[in-house]
Amino acid sequence: AQKVTQAQTEISVVEKEDVTLDCVYETRDTTYYLFWYKQPPSGELVFLIRRNSFDEQNEISGRYSWNFQKSTSSFNFTITASQVVDSAVYFCALNSGGYQKVTFGTGTKLQVIP
Amino acid sequence: SAVISQKPSRDICQRGTSLTIQCQVDSQVTMMFWYRQQPGQSLTLIATANQGSEATYESGFVIDKFPISRPNLTFSTLTVSNMSPEDSSIYLCSVVGQGINEQFFGPGTRLTVL
Repeated sequence: AQKVTQAQTEISVVEKEDVTLDCVYETRDTTYYLFWYKQPPSGELVFLIRRNSFDEQNEISGRYSWNFQKSTSSFNFTITASQVVDSAVYFCALNSGGYQKVTFGTGTKLQVIP
Repeated sequence: SAVISQKPSRDICQRGTSLTIQCQVDSQVTMMFWYRQQPGQSLTLIATANQGSEATYESGFVIDKFPISRPNLTFSTLTVSNMSPEDSSIYLCSVVGQGINEQFFGPGTRLTVL
């Protein structure tokens, strides 16, 4: 069975602050994929990143960075110098076992205050 | 990435009626998925829509309540039957892109049942 835990339900930060969204996952499979999605108030899910279990290299994309640590089964997401447009619900997700089904965490609602 | 459209984008329905949601993809895809997102909740997979065969339903979801069609590799429909207020949710169509386990989502259909 696979499981994704996002312990932070809601986070509020002031604009320009850095913020880290936590994600802890569980799976018995050695091959798996981790994702982050953004869901703005409009409701559409926006794909942000995919990582496979064999690549622990951290990734940076503009103000976004991801820290993947297999030792702690975590895949945390950091937004640097947050902006109001970053306000959204962020979902961490896991796919493993060779199946195409994706298991989502419960999401973290981020509010960036101007 | 795959471009996915859904119709309708939103609807308000009366209890006991049914609504059919359409999902159109701009390219042929093998697997299509239907998710439900209840208010303030995460995404839950309803079923996998298979072309040429019956859909595969997840635990807690049945064909009589959520019949699915998949007539070709670019189109699928989900019907929410005999609706009740508990069916008020966002329903999202999803496909797997060309990248391994890269999953993309449609804009969603916001359903309100009165």
